[in-house]
Amino acid sequence: AQSVTQLGSHVSVSEGALVLLRCNYSSSVPPYLFWYVQYPNQGLQLLLKYTTGATLVKGINGFEAEFKKSETSFHLTKPSAHMSDAAEYFCAVSAGRGGADGLTFGKGTHLIIQP
Amino acid sequence: KAGVTQTPRYLIKTRGQQVTLSCSPISGHRSVSWYQQTPGQGLQFLFEYFSETQRNKGNFPGRFSGRQFSNSRSEMNVSTLELGDSALYLCASRAGETEAFFGQGTRLTVV
Repeated sequence: AQSVTQLGSHVSVSEGALVLLRCNYSSSVPPYLFWYVQYPNQGLQLLLKYTTGATLVKGINGFEAEFKKSETSFHLTKPSAHMSDAAEYFCAVSAGRGGADGLTFGKGTHLIIQP
Repeated sequence: KAGVTQTPRYLIKTRGQQVTLSCSPISGHRSVSWYQQTPGQGLQFLFEYFSETQRNKGNFPGRFSGRQFSNSRSEMNVSTLELGDSALYLCASRAGETEAFFGQGTRLTVV
């Protein structure tokens, strides 16, 4: 069984500041990890994924995340926040095989960008 | 390449009725999964279909069912609707063992 914990239901940063959204996971098998973004009244858009290989993964819109097995973490970062980054972000885990057993999502973090 | 298409986008139903939601996956994708999103429970996995067979099912009552057709299009059905079934229902498609691509969702309101 898998689980995901996202620390902070709301995170507020100033435009141009570092964005850090935290995600810790639990999985009994080597996990596949994902970050998705959701804008109001929209579906989920994949930001980035980790399956195997390089632990630092780069995604769209300047986001990146690092898989740390020893810390069971997969935190999302962006060096400089933009107003358009304001949205809901979800971390998700699957038990390998790209999610054949379904994705388990965290509760989400609402990112607020202050002008 | 067209994305995942869900119809309808919005739906209002009365308690006790049943509803059918439709999902057309990305061309070539054979796997379709469904999720329910509510403010209280967040995103929860409903079920996944691959080549017309249900491969996995989440922890939902039997009122929630689905099917997949030979062209990979999928439908989910909810019978005897309850107020708590009001949610955004999201469909996702995958090609093999890759990331899931989501549709815009169907917003179901039960009154």
